[in-house]
This record gives sequence, C-alpha cells and structure tokens, in this order.
Amino acid sequence: DAKTTQPPSMDCAEGRAANLPCNHSTISGNEYVYWYRQIHSQGPQYIIHGLKNNETNEMASLIITEDRKSSTLILPHATLRDTAVYYCIVRGNYGGSQGNLIFGKGTKLSVKP
Amino acid sequence: DVKVTQSSRYLVKRTGEKVFLECVQDMDHENMFWYRQDPGLGLRLIYFSYDVKMKEKGDIPEGYSVSREKKERFSLILESASTNQTSMYLCASSLYYRGNTEAFFGQGTRLTVV
Repeated sequence: DAKTTQPPSMDCAEGRAANLPCNHSTISGNEYVYWYRQIHSQGPQYIIHGLKNNETNEMASLIITEDRKSSTLILPHATLRDTAVYYCIVRGNYGGSQGNLIFGKGTKLSVKP
Repeated sequence: DVKVTQSSRYLVKRTGEKVFLECVQDMDHENMFWYRQDPGLGLRLIYFSYDVKMKEKGDIPEGYSVSREKKERFSLILESASTNQTSMYLCASSLYYRGNTEAFFGQGTRLTVV
C-alpha cells in the first residue's frame, strides 16, 4: 500500500501558486519524498524529491516539515499546462527492488483560467 | 534527451492470444519496471528487473511474465490475454545504486483485449 495520503482533487487559478499537500506520517529516517505528475494520456514525469531539507528546482519547490510527517509541493505560478495528477511517493534509500516507486491515487490538480 | 520507448501506443488483441509489450531505454539504466494503470486503482507494479536476466515480482504479477535478455530492453508478456488485462501499461527505467534517482517513464501502451 502507498504510504502517503493526498487530497483527491484541488483547483488553482492560473498564475497563482498551487500548494499540494501530502501526509506521510509513517515515514522512516532513510526514506525520501518524491513527487511525480501525470498529464492526461502521458507517462508520469519526475518533479522533485527531498529528504529533510527544502528543495527547489526549475519546476517546483518542496517543503518538508521538521518532523517529516508531511510535505507540500509548490508550483509558484501555475499554468494551464500544469493541470495533471500529482503523486507524492515515499521511497527508501535502496538500490534494486527495495527502491521501487509505489504510487497512490494522487491529487488531480485543475488549473483554471 | 533521456528516452524510454514503448513499441505501441495502442494495441487490440483477442482473448487467449499471447501478447508481447516491448520497452527500450537508451540511458544504460539497470532498473526497468512494468506498471499497469486502471481508473480508480492508480499505477500498480507488475514486474521489476534490476539487471539482465534478473526479475522480481511486483504487486500483481499473475497472468504476466517478463524477459530481460539485453540491458536496454524489457518485455512484458501476457501468456493468454484476458479481458481483465485491458489497461494502460507503462514502462519505466532508473539507475541502480544505493541512492535516490528519478525514474523515467514511457508514453504508455493502451491495450484492449476483446
């Protein structure tokens, strides 16, 4: 089973920040938080990942709480092309099969004009 | 650019047929994965391979087998296709090491079994 809980859907106005929450209360010390998204009819796309520090790249920012039990993915200026299902995944620091990605149901983000 | 290519975007097969879904990656990745995606169920792992000729079962391996004869190619085989295997199939690859790395996904194969 997925180790994360996300709201099933969210709306965001175009140009505004989209803040997508994720709960992972059972995360262990060596597990990372990954975010992927899936635009309709395409394969999932990696966005960002982090362990305990906040992370930022050209796509998004990841804010992880100090106790690491929850995180928020931030898309600073959402566009219509950001409409997608966003998956929050907890993944161990292992090679091989123990590093598999287990997808939950994600959050369907709808960016509206 | 990184690439994972699945041989077909859409496929229609008859019940009982043996079906091969092919996936090729050009990144020299050790890990390769097959998932299926169904409405309301999300992505579920079918099989995983971490090296040539090595494979491990995922969450739903029943009715499927896999083949990894070359590092770049990972095939999913439906031994005798059934209507409940109608689904979107996604292949992915990633590096193998004790660290964290992103997985790259193909565009998917939408298989319909009639």
